[in-house]
Amino acid sequence: AQKVTQAQTEISVVEKEDVTLDCVYETRDTTYYLFWYKQPPSGELVFLIRRNSFDEQNEISGRYSWNFQKSTSSFNFTITASQVVDSAVYFCALSEAGGGSNYKLTFGKGTLLTVNP
Amino acid sequence: GAVVSQHPSWVICKSGTSVKIECRSLDFQATTMFWYRQFPKQSLMLMATSNEGSKATYEQGVEKDKFLINHASLTLSTLTVTSAHPEDSSFYICSARESWNEQFFGPGTRLTVL
Repeated sequence: AQKVTQAQTEISVVEKEDVTLDCVYETRDTTYYLFWYKQPPSGELVFLIRRNSFDEQNEISGRYSWNFQKSTSSFNFTITASQVVDSAVYFCALSEAGGGSNYKLTFGKGTLLTVNP
Repeated sequence: GAVVSQHPSWVICKSGTSVKIECRSLDFQATTMFWYRQFPKQSLMLMATSNEGSKATYEQGVEKDKFLINHASLTLSTLTVTSAHPEDSSFYICSARESWNEQFFGPGTRLTVL
């Protein structure tokens, strides 16, 4: 069975601070996909990144960066120089590789990030 | 990017009535559609997976007769909450998958049962 753990329930930072959101996953599959989504107060999920299990390169997109460590089954997300607009719930998710799975997603419990001015 | 719409965005109904929520993929054909439920301050829980033209596959603990899913076309799936009760009040989110492993999420429907 798949499992995604986001140990940080809530994080509060002051604007311009860097913040890292942790994500640890469990899966028996050798091929899988990891995702991060942002859910602002409006409720709509915003896709941030998808990473497959064979690509361990870290990725940077503007103020966002992701660190995928297969050895520790972690896929952490860092926001540099946080802004108030970054305040949201962030979900890490894992999907199986296909076949009969239909690529269904397993979500972590989410981390509520509050960035204070 | 691909767009998924949901209708209605919010609905309030009386206990015992049925509510239908529509999920549409606007600019692509969805091989698979998923329905999630999210209670306040909780994560998204997958309710069911539906493929066009076939019966939905429900997750453990989800009542098939209560949450009716119809995936009649490659662009439309509906979720009907039958005989709704206050405990069914939740945020319902659908997603649609095209051919590759990327799900596009709808904006969600907030259901309140009085």
